[in-house]
Amino acid sequence: RKEVEQDPGPFNVPEGATVAFNCTYSNSASQSFFWYRQDCRKEPKLLMSVYSSGNEDGRFTAQLNRASQYISLLIRDSKLSDSATYLCVVNIFAGKSTFGDGTTLTVKP
Amino acid sequence: DGGITQSPKYLFRKEGQNVTLSCEQNLNHDAMYWYRQDPGQGLRLIYYSQIVNDFQKGDIAEGYSVSREKKESFPLTVTSAQKNPTAFYLCASSNPSGQLAKNIQYFGAGTRLSVL
Repeated sequence: RKEVEQDPGPFNVPEGATVAFNCTYSNSASQSFFWYRQDCRKEPKLLMSVYSSGNEDGRFTAQLNRASQYISLLIRDSKLSDSATYLCVVNIFAGKSTFGDGTTLTVKP
Repeated sequence: DGGITQSPKYLFRKEGQNVTLSCEQNLNHDAMYWYRQDPGQGLRLIYYSQIVNDFQKGDIAEGYSVSREKKESFPLTVTSAQKNPTAFYLCASSNPSGQLAKNIQYFGAGTRLSVL
């Protein structure tokens, strides 16, 4: 079993749709969590950190459930520019991260 | 501008040849990392370094070597022992001290390595 697993995707949605991605992690000692965005043939860039209390940044909402070892990302009112691969990232300890394989989102007109 | 610079952007390796990928950062970060990404897959950790003159193997270190003689620099050598080196190589840095929530990794633009 992989340490970090994501929905395989791909997700193809129309503009304006709401889409949710899920991620599970296996190490209960994991300490911090992030969502990164990666555009085609580019480097990953931080989208948002994920906190137990849940956090929101505009159209994006991230949730963490430590008991279920589950992270989610919700995108509301999808835009064409949201098309990318979304990577779930888990820090086991300071300085070492494990990346999920990513979920690809395509937003269509 | 602060950031991470990787060079070259594209690199071709002949059979039996060692090649070195450059990674330089001016973010004053203590930790640096090398990842490999194959098409349609996530990032796999090759090596990481949390401090100058010290580095640790990641999940797929075989066929690779690194050095960390300066805080700013973390070059990766792909040796001839790496039989399938074609991939996208990404270098990252972070400041792991302090709150873990701030241990965010920042990436360079990557190097695409192909075998001739």
